[in-house]
Amino acid sequence: DAGVTQSPTHLIKTRGQQVTLRCSPKSGHDTVSWYQQALGQGPQFIFQYYEEEERQRGNFPDRFSGHQFPNYSSELNVNALLLGDSALYLCASSSGTGMTGELFFGEGSRLTVL
Amino acid sequence: AQTVTQSQPEMSVQEAETVTLSCTYDTSENNYYLFWYKQPPSRQMILVIRQEAYKQQNATENRFSVNFQKAAKSFSLKISDSQLGDTAMYFCAFMTARPDYKLSFGAGTTVTVRA
Repeated sequence: DAGVTQSPTHLIKTRGQQVTLRCSPKSGHDTVSWYQQALGQGPQFIFQYYEEEERQRGNFPDRFSGHQFPNYSSELNVNALLLGDSALYLCASSSGTGMTGELFFGEGSRLTVL
Repeated sequence: AQTVTQSQPEMSVQEAETVTLSCTYDTSENNYYLFWYKQPPSRQMILVIRQEAYKQQNATENRFSVNFQKAAKSFSLKISDSQLGDTAMYFCAFMTARPDYKLSFGAGTTVTVRA
């Protein structure tokens, strides 16, 4: 049973560029959440997708956008990259009908903005 | 909004000994979940232990146990018989009881187990 998979694992961009990160949820999960983890800090919630719609959003600017596909996989897009966007981006999946509260995380995509 | 505070940036423990990590949180809700997640170096975050706020009994998972004090809004993690593989960053996290699968994390505590 494949867990949560993310791609790419590492990438380097320059300021002003755009980036797309991808996530496939754990088998049987239909809800995908994205988190930003700056170095040495705890993850911060970006947004959550369920049934191909953004269901919740954290305190992130509109430069951060996402999408969920019919197969439940998801993308995170960041436009007009800033140096401060350098971080580990974590994808987490869960079941929309589950009641355990448990999230399953991928290994993350480490973004460096130069 | 919920806030989660971990006041110990780093902890060091000898192999086979016990270490306790502290966590406090602030919420106006009565029902919620609390979690401890482990993030080993360059590896994915995994769930260590989960506590539901309406349950008075403290959760245990093998060598991991919690001390949940609801009135004090405190949720500490005890790691007994520490092993080298326990070396990791540990995060305390909060979720409302719906559940909405939106976690609020603390800043983390780096635990180093010494041989």
